[in-house]
This record gives sequence, structure tokens and C-alpha cells, in this order.
Amino acid sequence: DSGVTQTPKHLITATGQRVTLRCSPRSGDLSVYWYQQSLDQGLQFLIQYYNGEERAKGNILERFSAQQFPDLHSELNLSSLELGDSALYFCASSVAPGGRETQYFGPGTRLLVL
Amino acid sequence: AQSVTQLGSHVSVSEGALVLLRCNYSSSVPPYLFWYVQYPNQGLQLLLKYTTGATLVKGINGFEAEFKKSETSFHLTKPSAHMSDAAEYFCAVGSPFLGNEKLTFGTGTRLTIIP
Repeated sequence: DSGVTQTPKHLITATGQRVTLRCSPRSGDLSVYWYQQSLDQGLQFLIQYYNGEERAKGNILERFSAQQFPDLHSELNLSSLELGDSALYFCASSVAPGGRETQYFGPGTRLLVL
Repeated sequence: AQSVTQLGSHVSVSEGALVLLRCNYSSSVPPYLFWYVQYPNQGLQLLLKYTTGATLVKGINGFEAEFKKSETSFHLTKPSAHMSDAAEYFCAVGSPFLGNEKLTFGTGTRLTIIP
């Protein structure tokens, strides 16, 4: 158990819908990262937050947005869902930003868009 | 830009045999290197990492990796495979640039252990 929690574990929805994925980082971790894992794209970085502020963006679609709240939990919002958005979404956290810091991954949310 | 190449999407070894999973990286600056393992229906777990210092890094579950700058490699090894090692393994490079500390992952290697 990494200490990072993600809810829900599974999500099934329809095209055009909107969903919210939630992540609680390890106690004391200030930095949160979101990654998408799909069969065709592999593991891709989406976005990073540090202490409530957006720090870096990766291959995140405009239909997707995220935020980190004062209690440091983070939410990833996916809207106007398409079939291709079906994937495993991971949240990771680290004590501080920095490429040498270990990122601890949650169990993921498996999203299926029908 | 940084990138990682993992040679061999599938590797099969017999129980008790040497495990060797290959990883090559591309980076314009000294990299931070990681190996993660993913068991079925689970998240990623850190096996080991290299940041600076000793180039031979020991990790959990008997795994180790050696950073070879001249070969731009960070191969993962384990002397004797166990059935419980069956999983997918990801090599990743961490960005040394402040303001963007993402991990860039390879495509993964699925390790199968033959009884």
C-alpha cells in the first residue's frame, strides 16, 4: 500500500458524459501528478500540482482539467468523454517537486467509456 | 527531451534463472532513473532508483540495476527469478528541470516466469 488513495476504482460511463476522479496523496506529500495508461499510448504524464498550484502540463486534452485543493487532495475532471478516453488513470504523489523525488502511485481508476 | 527505450516487450525466463530487463535512455543532462513494477490490476511500485553516487543500485525483492553513462543504459537484473516476479516492469527517467518533474516512461516489459 503506497498510501495514495484513488476513488472510484472503476467507472463506466457513456460518450459525452463528464466524470471526476479523486486522489488523496500520502500524508505530508505536497506534489500530485496525474498519468494516463492506455494500450496504445502507454503511460503518459497529464498534469502536476504542487501545494495547490499547477506546476506542469503534459499531454492533457483541453476537455480534461484538474485541481488541487487546500487539503492537498486532487481531482481530475474529464468531460465530453470519447471512446478513446477509456484508460487507467493514476495519481502519484511526492514529498516535494524534483526529478529525483520518488513518486508513489495510487491503485488507479479504470475508466470505461461506452 | 528525455526518452526511454525498453528492449523486449515480453521476456520469459525459467524459475531460478537470471532476469535481465533492458532499458536505454536519452537525456541531454545527467538523468534520474527509476524502475517500477506493476502487478495485475495494481498501481506502480518503485523497485529502485538512481539519482547520483554509486552506479550500482540495489532495490527491493532482490533486484538491482547499474547506471552506465557510456552506454546510456540502466538495465534491471535479478540473479534468480521467482514465480512472484511475474509482472510488468517500467523504466522511467525523471526530469532534472525545476518546474516540470514528470516521469517519462518506457513502454514496459512483461516478465513471465516459467515453472
